[in-house]
Amino acid sequence: DAGITQSPRHKVTETGTPVTLRCHQTENHRYMYWYRQDPGHGLRLIHYSYGVKDTDKGEVSDGYSVSRSKTEDFLLTLESATSSQTSVYFCAIIGGPGLATEAFFGQGTRLTVV
Amino acid sequence: AQTVTQSQPEMSVQEAETVTLSCTYDTSESDYYLFWYKQPPSRQMILVIRQEAYKQQNATENRFSVNFQKAAKSFSLKISDSQLGDAAMYFCAYSLSGSEKLVFGKGTKLTVNP
Repeated sequence: DAGITQSPRHKVTETGTPVTLRCHQTENHRYMYWYRQDPGHGLRLIHYSYGVKDTDKGEVSDGYSVSRSKTEDFLLTLESATSSQTSVYFCAIIGGPGLATEAFFGQGTRLTVV
Repeated sequence: AQTVTQSQPEMSVQEAETVTLSCTYDTSESDYYLFWYKQPPSRQMILVIRQEAYKQQNATENRFSVNFQKAAKSFSLKISDSQLGDAAMYFCAYSLSGSEKLVFGKGTKLTVNP
């Protein structure tokens, strides 16, 4: 398995509180991604990073921010969690430009906002 | 924007039989990659098969094969000799060559009946 881990694996939080999810990789991949998975929607891209301090928005970025201060860590922050952000969150690393060979996913974080 | 459509939210198959999962996609590009991912109840995302658009030959991996129709923008997955362990969510995904963002369909839940 590719060296990619997410923490925490499960979290319950209250509406309005900040939440940070962590993705850590040991593969030295340049590209990292955060997706959310919801029934009937598949996986949707929230944010991605193409290098340290280089990030960009995906299709469902509202309410989320990201940071990448080191190659190995990509953080996803919900500044003020809402019930609509209850979801399963996946981090992924994918090969560099032109490779697109395979995406490796973390085990996912189930986040419940009550 | 590229889109991926899986028109079958749920499918079922008898053990040892063959089942085909459908996927269509929309793109104006000519060079891209297509994937099928399997997600069992463990939530782990597992790459099943990958197809490069420039290759006319359909990809195969053991009991899994695809029918890639580039002109029709169709990418179906055939599972032969279905096994109980094949029961999972299956996601079709698209990636533009040189841009590693994966765009996912909404998924098809496959049930395998003994």
